[in-house]
Amino acid sequence: DGGITQSPKYLFRKEGQNVTLSCEQNLNHDAMYWYRQDPGQGLRLIYYSQIVNDFQKGDIAEGYSVSREKKESFPLTVTSAQKNPTAFYLCASSISGSGVGPEYEQYFGPGTRLTVT
Amino acid sequence: GQNIDQPTEMTATEGAIVQINCTYQTSGFNGLFWYQQHAGEAPTFLSYNVLDGLEEKGRFSSFLSRSKGYSYLLLKELQMKDSASYLCAVRDNYGGATNKLIFGTGTLLAVQP
Repeated sequence: DGGITQSPKYLFRKEGQNVTLSCEQNLNHDAMYWYRQDPGQGLRLIYYSQIVNDFQKGDIAEGYSVSREKKESFPLTVTSAQKNPTAFYLCASSISGSGVGPEYEQYFGPGTRLTVT
Repeated sequence: GQNIDQPTEMTATEGAIVQINCTYQTSGFNGLFWYQQHAGEAPTFLSYNVLDGLEEKGRFSSFLSRSKGYSYLLLKELQMKDSASYLCAVRDNYGGATNKLIFGTGTLLAVQP
């Protein structure tokens, strides 16, 4: 089955520690995205990557870092510089980052709920 | 600026029809998506509009008016499993990529027996 996997489902960390969230897709999609979801707020874009070895900052990139060394993988590191890291993190992918049409919809992974205390 | 507005919560009765509205103000427009998200789960794609008019897909329909910056999602024959958040998202081409989505806060729909 093709899809997007994120692990783990729940993650707990102490304040001051960096943590890496994994995102893997076997859909052969070029573009991948990381969003953050907080109660009462819409999904906010952290980083996106349109192609391997390339990525751009989204709207709330401060305190986060990413890499895109392989087409199927787009890990997100939440660093100690992120002031409010506790949130639900969603990874998504699409066929490309520049298409127009319903076939370019974004497919979402199951999410990782990160709690930092 | 970029702004998408949806009602925060709605309640409807099983078997009824409900309309969830979305208004948007974005610098560009390359289509509007509706996603369904059950609590703690991933959003799943429901519908897409890029031209004015109504798109029908089974019990779900979505309407778009680009001149008014307005869309709605219509759910018919409501079922209990339709209780979820419904996210309106506009695809904009700011920053050079044409597949970036701007999301509203979502509308939490509660279907009651």
